[in-house]
Amino acid sequence: AQSVAQPEDQVNVAEGNPLTVKCTYSVSGNPYLFWYVQYPNRGLQFLLKYITGDNLVKGSYGFEAEFNKSQTSFHLKKPSALVSDSALYFCAVRGFKNNNDMRFGAGTRLTVKP
Amino acid sequence: DAGVIQSPRHEVTEMGQEVTLRCKPISGHDYLFWYRQTMMRGLELLIYFNNNVPIDDSGMPEDRFSAKMPNASFSTLKIQPSEPRDSAVYFCASSRSNEQFFGPGTRLTVL
Repeated sequence: AQSVAQPEDQVNVAEGNPLTVKCTYSVSGNPYLFWYVQYPNRGLQFLLKYITGDNLVKGSYGFEAEFNKSQTSFHLKKPSALVSDSALYFCAVRGFKNNNDMRFGAGTRLTVKP
Repeated sequence: DAGVIQSPRHEVTEMGQEVTLRCKPISGHDYLFWYRQTMMRGLELLIYFNNNVPIDDSGMPEDRFSAKMPNASFSTLKIQPSEPRDSAVYFCASSRSNEQFFGPGTRLTVL
């Protein structure tokens, strides 16, 4: 079965520390992987994507993600967290029934404390 | 570009009433998606269109829900009759290639 999982409901980090938000996937064929962020009372905003090429993908606001095929993971990372990074983060994968719809993980709430 | 536009932003209605949510996608995008977000179920894909044609509506919860896209710049999601369990935030998103761009959502409360 094809799926995307975010094993942590919540991640807490101190400002200035590195952060990681985890995502694993199970998709037949080559996955298209995405990260989105949702701030309170807002829609989801695109952060970054992996389609092909370099396994390390850089995105908006200093975030990056590493595609690991052997571990079927696509963890989101940032070297130094900011309080303003506190939000809900969604991992998504494209390519379930076809290549045009996207399935989202349950979301991980990131809290960065000063 | 103004991004994806949704209206209304908030809707409060009584059980049994008809509710219509509206969406204007980003110009030039040929895919349009409707999602529902709740605390219990997370983000669910309801239906999506390609070039105004519904492609997959398997996520539509029941016959009370219907969606249309009469042209490339407008789509509606209708619930008739509405029920309290329909209370959620409904998002519209549009896409041209890979990533999707989301609207601000409509927060629906059915009393």
